[in-house]
Order: sequence, then C-alpha cells, then structure tokens
Amino acid sequence: QKEVEQNSGPLSVPEGAIASLNCTYSDRGSQSFFWYRQYSGKSPELIMSIYSNGDKEDGRFTAQLNKASQYVSLLIRDSQPSDSATYLCAVNTGFQKLVFGTGTRLLVSP
Amino acid sequence: DAGVTQSPTHLIKTRGQHVTLRCSPISGHKSVSWYQQVLGQGPQFIFQYYEKEERGRGNFPDRFSARQFPNYSSELNVNALLLGDSALYLCASSQWGQNNSPLHFGNGTRLTVT
Repeated sequence: QKEVEQNSGPLSVPEGAIASLNCTYSDRGSQSFFWYRQYSGKSPELIMSIYSNGDKEDGRFTAQLNKASQYVSLLIRDSQPSDSATYLCAVNTGFQKLVFGTGTRLLVSP
Repeated sequence: DAGVTQSPTHLIKTRGQHVTLRCSPISGHKSVSWYQQVLGQGPQFIFQYYEKEERGRGNFPDRFSARQFPNYSSELNVNALLLGDSALYLCASSQWGQNNSPLHFGNGTRLTVT
C-alpha cells in the first residue's frame, strides 16, 4: 500500500464548477498535511496547509482533514482555466519529511 | 523577498560523472530539504538539513550526499551518475525544522544523464 494515494485523473470540470480532489494516507501518526499545485514543467507551489480535523478555507480553496479516516481533500470553488495543473497531496511523516502522492491532474475547460 | 533559488536550472551529464547542485533558502529560513521528482511522480525526499546538521535522509544510495553551510545555503552532490538519476531536483526551505513548518520549493534543477 502506498503511503499517500491520489487518483491520477485527469479530473475534468467546467469553468465555474467545484473541483474536488482527494487523498488518503497510511501513517496514522501524521500531524501535518499540505496541498501543492504544480504547473507542467514548474516546481510545486504551496496552496494550503492543514493540521487539525475539519475545514480550512483560504479564498476559493478549502482543505478538509479527517484523521480518523486518514483522508484529506481539497475543494476549489469557481474553478478557472488557470487552475488547470497537477495537485499534489503531501503528508509530513516526521522531521519535515514530506511524502507526496503522485498527484491529480485537474483540467478546467472554458 | 527572493524565494528559494537553485542553480543551475538545467544540466546535462554523462553516466559516471559527478554533479553538484546548489540552493539558497529564503532569507531567514534555517531548514533546507532536497527532493527528487521523476516524470509523472510526486517529489521524493532525499535529505533535510537544519542548522547545518542532517536531520533526515530518504531511501537513496550513498552516491547522494549533501551539506549545509553557515549561511544556510546547501549543496546536493551525486556521484557516479546513472541514467535513472535524470530528474527534477527540488530544494525547499522552511523557517524552522519543525514538522508543521510549510516547505517552499525553488524552481528546481533539471538534470539529464546521457
């Protein structure tokens, strides 16, 4: 079983819709969780961090964490074509060692 | 403020050669981590340094080594290059070495081994 699992996609949504990205992790002791956005050929860009169960909102982005279910999600409201990218879920397993999923490719069509 | 800076941006090497990649963290950041990202995969942890000490090492062979300097910049060295070392090498910095400190990545060095 992979440590961090994501659906590779592509996830296709129309402009203005809500995109829902999901991630599960195996290390029950993990305490911090991150979402990165990566455009093709570029480096990952941090968009959200979450440490406690529940929801955390930042602009059009909402991260959700359920430690009991070992599940993290990212919602993108009012999706724009510029949101088209690969979204990486990362879990801190200790000493800032981030374990990444393989990423979900999001395509937002105009 | 400048972000994490890495050099060079691109590099082409031959099998068996040695390579040194360089990274300058965000000003005020004391922790530097290195990651390797091959095409189609998420980044994979190589090393973490905090206050010039190695705090973590990923599942990479001894051909990979790194160090952190007094100004918190860092070098990643790879010896005896293999074709499989071709990847995007990412440096990330954070203010502290604590688990909850978010990592901020540089633009990466794209290494091609022929």
